Amino acid sequence: QVQLVQSGAEVKTPGASVKVSCKASGYIFTNYYLSWVRQAPGQGLEWMGVVYGNGGRTTYAEEFQGRVTMTSDTSTSTVYMDLSSLKSEDTAMYYCVRVLGGRPLDSFDVWGQGTMVTVSS
Amino acid sequence: SYELTQPPSVSVSPGQTAIITCSGDKLGDKYASWYQQKPRQSPVLVIYQDSRRPSGIPERFSGSNSGNTATLTISGTQAMDEADYYCQAWDSSRVLFGGGTQLTVL
Repeated sequence: QVQLVQSGAEVKTPGASVKVSCKASGYIFTNYYLSWVRQAPGQGLEWMGVVYGNGGRTTYAEEFQGRVTMTSDTSTSTVYMDLSSLKSEDTAMYYCVRVLGGRPLDSFDVWGQGTMVTVSS
Repeated sequence: SYELTQPPSVSVSPGQTAIITCSGDKLGDKYASWYQQKPRQSPVLVIYQDSRRPSGIPERFSGSNSGNTATLTISGTQAMDEADYYCQAWDSSRVLFGGGTQLTVL
């Protein structure tokens, strides 16, 4: 079955960077885009950007431009999300999600289990 | 900037129909999707392309989208439907989510 399995929880200090991985299985990795969505504690969902499984083409939300890098490794069917200059407001659950239909912007039909990133001094 | 607006909360009695709205300027010109999120779980897609149900989603979930409002309707609401619901849409360069609606079944 289609699965997205993310790396484990992280605790970082302000100003540091975090890199979260997401390994896909059960489908042809290079045919789909993967997005990252985050959710601060008790808050709603926030889209961060999208990366293509084949070739690593990216589009980032304006709010994260300059601070986020999303990459793709076709040899391991894994995407990565690197967020730098962390602030306490970046404390959130980070979800890797598959974009429906092989398009960069569409519904999200498969969600990873989430990776909790805590930023605290 | 473009925004999607949902009511913070909706209450419904078991067996009745729950209606959750999502408003945005000319939202009907875009596709709307809906996600269900239960506590400590990842969201689940329940409606895409305004009214289509993914495999495994019960028929009691339906959607529509016209004008400035997309609507998620849950017919014969069950206790297991109690959750947060988020609408989603996108334009040429970004994805947007509504603020979420907490559905209480009581």
